[in-house]
Amino acid sequence: DAGVIQSPRHEVTEMGQEVTLRCKPISGHDYLFWYRQTMMRGLELLIYFNNNVPIDDSGMPEDRFSAKMPNASFSTLKIQPSEPRDSAVYFCASTAGTALNEQFFGPGTRLTVL
Amino acid sequence: AQTVTQSQPEMSVQEAETVTLSCTYDTSESDYYLFWYKQPPSRQMILVIRQEAYKQQNATENRFSVNFQKAAKSFSLKISDSQLGDAAMYFCAHSGNTPLVFGKGTRLSVIA
Repeated sequence: DAGVIQSPRHEVTEMGQEVTLRCKPISGHDYLFWYRQTMMRGLELLIYFNNNVPIDDSGMPEDRFSAKMPNASFSTLKIQPSEPRDSAVYFCASTAGTALNEQFFGPGTRLTVL
Repeated sequence: AQTVTQSQPEMSVQEAETVTLSCTYDTSESDYYLFWYKQPPSRQMILVIRQEAYKQQNATENRFSVNFQKAAKSFSLKISDSQLGDAAMYFCAHSGNTPLVFGKGTRLSVIA
């Protein structure tokens, strides 16, 4: 299995631009999670989906952030407009059966907003 | 709310020696899961070991083992025969009525 796939691996953009991060979960996994990692706040859960339906988005920092999962094999996290404080590593993870199981993480996207 | 505390921001160990990383958690759940994840400089999050709260026996994976003290809400990770490749950030995580909640991490250095 290819594991969780994220793209791009690195993204550098200017303040005010739209950023779209992409994720392909492991085939057969019905839960998908988006995390943000920063030095100050550590790993934070932003949102998670079950069977393509958002279950909990209470971690999404503000309206500039949005996430979608149009099908079982693809999800996006969008930031519009981006700000320098959004600079972080964004991880996607997936698991099967229950949200409480161990999660399998993608390699992350390092986002830098200038 | 679930919380996970790792009180050691940094640790170091000599190659081939044993080191223990500490983790405490707070939960009102009686059934839950605990995990240790490793994050090397590549930043990939790798599952090291997991423990189900209903199991009294401590989990073991090769050189990695845990000391799970449910009453004390403590979940420490012991790494035996440390290797240079063990150098990484280690995160303790808990899932109960919500998905994974992570601690702030412990940076482990391995000295040759």
